[in-house]
Amino acid sequence: AQTVTQSQPEMSVQEAETVTLSCTYDTSENNYYLFWYKQPPSRQMILVIRQEAYKQQNATENRFSVNFQKAAKSFSLKISDSQLGDTAMYFCAFMNPFPLAAGNKLTFGGGTRVLVKP
Amino acid sequence: GAVVSQHPSWVICKSGTSVKIECRSLDFQATTMFWYRQFPKQSLMLMATSNEGSKATYEQGVEKDKFLINHASLTLSTLTVTSAHPEDSSFYICSASYSGGTTEAFFGQGTRLTVV
Repeated sequence: AQTVTQSQPEMSVQEAETVTLSCTYDTSENNYYLFWYKQPPSRQMILVIRQEAYKQQNATENRFSVNFQKAAKSFSLKISDSQLGDTAMYFCAFMNPFPLAAGNKLTFGGGTRVLVKP
Repeated sequence: GAVVSQHPSWVICKSGTSVKIECRSLDFQATTMFWYRQFPKQSLMLMATSNEGSKATYEQGVEKDKFLINHASLTLSTLTVTSAHPEDSSFYICSASYSGGTTEAFFGQGTRLTVV
């Protein structure tokens, strides 16, 4: 079974600064997907960024980027130019797309609470 | 992106009663739906996976007679908490996905259940 570990329960960052969230995972699979989800106080889960394991290039979405180290099974998220609206819980998640019958089943890490200070 | 609607957003029920939570995919056919439970300040724990027209697959430790899941159509899955007790109070979230190339799961807004 896959496991996902987020070692930082909470992090704070000044507005406009950069913060990096760590995530490690354990799997014997070679093809898989990794995600970062944001859960603001509304508790709606929002997809921040996605990485395919077969792609060496790190994914980027505006101010959000990842550092994917497949051999090390590490998947960190960098939030640049932090904004007050980035305050939320952030969850790292793993997905094995096979078997197809299992659908898009996600395994989540424990989460990191990010507080952006003005 | 695709929209998943979960209803109700919050519900209060008395101990011993049952409560049903609905999860609807509004603009796509959800071949698979997932139900998660989230305790305060904790992560999402998968309870069960449901495929349209078949029985749900429950995760280890989840009582299938306690948490009844029905996925009768491609747009609707329901979670019924039977004979609810205060320890069932939690935040329940559904997600839905469809076959055909996408790896994204679309989440409902969640339901806060309080059993008194």
